[in-house]
Amino acid sequence: NAGVTQTPKFRVLKTGQSMTLLCAQDMNHEYMYWYRQDPGMGLRLIHYSVGEGTTAKGEVPDGYNVSRLKKQNFLLGLESAAPSQTSVYFCASSPLMGGTSLGNEQFFGPGTRLTVL
Amino acid sequence: DQQVKQNSPSLSVQEGRISILNCDYTNSMFDYFLWYKKYPAEGPTFLISISSIKDKNEDGRFTVFLNKSAKHLSLHIVPSQPGDSAVYFCAASDDGGSQGNLIFGKGTKLSVKP
Repeated sequence: NAGVTQTPKFRVLKTGQSMTLLCAQDMNHEYMYWYRQDPGMGLRLIHYSVGEGTTAKGEVPDGYNVSRLKKQNFLLGLESAAPSQTSVYFCASSPLMGGTSLGNEQFFGPGTRLTVL
Repeated sequence: DQQVKQNSPSLSVQEGRISILNCDYTNSMFDYFLWYKKYPAEGPTFLISISSIKDKNEDGRFTVFLNKSAKHLSLHIVPSQPGDSAVYFCAASDDGGSQGNLIFGKGTKLSVKP
C-alpha cells in the first residue's frame, strides 16, 4: 500500500495563478483532510470531507476550494494564488471510528511545498 | 486564541534518559487527544492517543498522561533514542475523534543526543 500520496511535491506559482493539489489514498478511508503548516505554527485545517461527494470548511478555508468526487481522491484548488498561501500543504485520511480505530488517527501524506511569488 | 499550547519550542535530552513533552489546552469540550511525530520533509505520523475517560495510555516506550482538571497532557518517552529526534505535535478533538476536526499545537522539537 502506498498510503497517502500527494502531487506535486513542490510548486512555484506567480500571484494570481491557479493550481490544484491532488491527494490520493489507497486505504479505503472515509475521511480526508487538507492542512497547511506555516513556520512556527501547528497544522491548520483548511477543508475536510467525511465521505465521497461531501466537503466541509475547516479553520482556514478562505481562498481554497475542494472536491471529493471519488472516495480515494481529495483535490485542493487555489483559484487565484496569493503570497499568503505560501506554505506546506498536507493531506490526511482516516477510517471511520470504530472497529480497529480508537478514534481519529489520521494518516498523512508527505506534503506539498508551495511558494507563491 | 490558541486552544492547544505547546509552550516549549524545543527540548534536548541525553540518549537513554526520559523525554517529557508537555501540552496544555483551554477547551474543556476536548475529549480526545493525540500525539504525532514529524521528521523533516515528511508528513506527521500518529504516535499515541488518549480518550478523556482515561488518565494514562501506554504503548511501548511511549506513555501519555492526561490531567483533565489541569487541562494538561504529557508524552513520556523512556528510554529516549536518537531516532526519536523529531518535532512532536499535540492535537485535540471535541468529537471523540469521530470526524477529525483536530486542533494542533505548534509543536516541540525534540533532540536526543547520543
